[in-house]
Amino acid sequence: AQTVTQSQPEMSVQEAETVTLSCTYDTSESDYYLFWYKQPPSRQMILVIRQEAYKQQNATENRFSVNFQKAAKSFSLKISDSQLGDAAMYFCAYRAAYSGAGSYQLTFGKGTKLSVIP
Amino acid sequence: DARVTQTPRHKVTEMGQEVTMRCQPILGHNTVFWYRQTMMQGLELLAYFRNRAPLDDSGMPKDRFSAEMPDATLATLKIQPSEPRDSAVYFCASGLLPFEQYFGPGTRLTVT
Repeated sequence: AQTVTQSQPEMSVQEAETVTLSCTYDTSESDYYLFWYKQPPSRQMILVIRQEAYKQQNATENRFSVNFQKAAKSFSLKISDSQLGDAAMYFCAYRAAYSGAGSYQLTFGKGTKLSVIP
Repeated sequence: DARVTQTPRHKVTEMGQEVTMRCQPILGHNTVFWYRQTMMQGLELLAYFRNRAPLDDSGMPKDRFSAEMPDATLATLKIQPSEPRDSAVYFCASGLLPFEQYFGPGTRLTVT
């Protein structure tokens, strides 16, 4: 079974600075997707970024970028120029790429609570 | 702006009562998921539908939980009878294979 581990329960960053959230995962599959979701106090789960395992290039979305190390099974999220609105829980998630019963579910890590200090 | 909608947003009920949560997936999406979020367990899958057919409900306590998708615009999650340990936030998510899932705002359930 796939597992996702976020080893940092809480982190903090100064406004305008850069912070990196860590995520490791375990899978025997060669093709899969990885995601970062943001959950602010409103509880809404918001997709931040997606990475396809077959792509070597790291995904980037504005101030958010990932460092995907497939051999190490590592998928970290870097937030540049942190803003107060970035304060939230961040969840790393894994999903298999191929069809099959249950294979499209997301497996989540336990989350990292990010605080942004003004 | 297409969104997944869930009702109710909050529900407080007494132990033993029936609870029904509803979800309207994004039009055109062919997969629907129900997740439960608790402090102890985090986010865990309860049930999964593809083209309205249930494919995986192994995460659901079968004796009290049931999930259905009577039509393409409605998914339901029912708990009968409810117990205090069912208190959690229940999320519905929909997606169009093989792309990402979009989450609804969740239903916060409190069972006293």
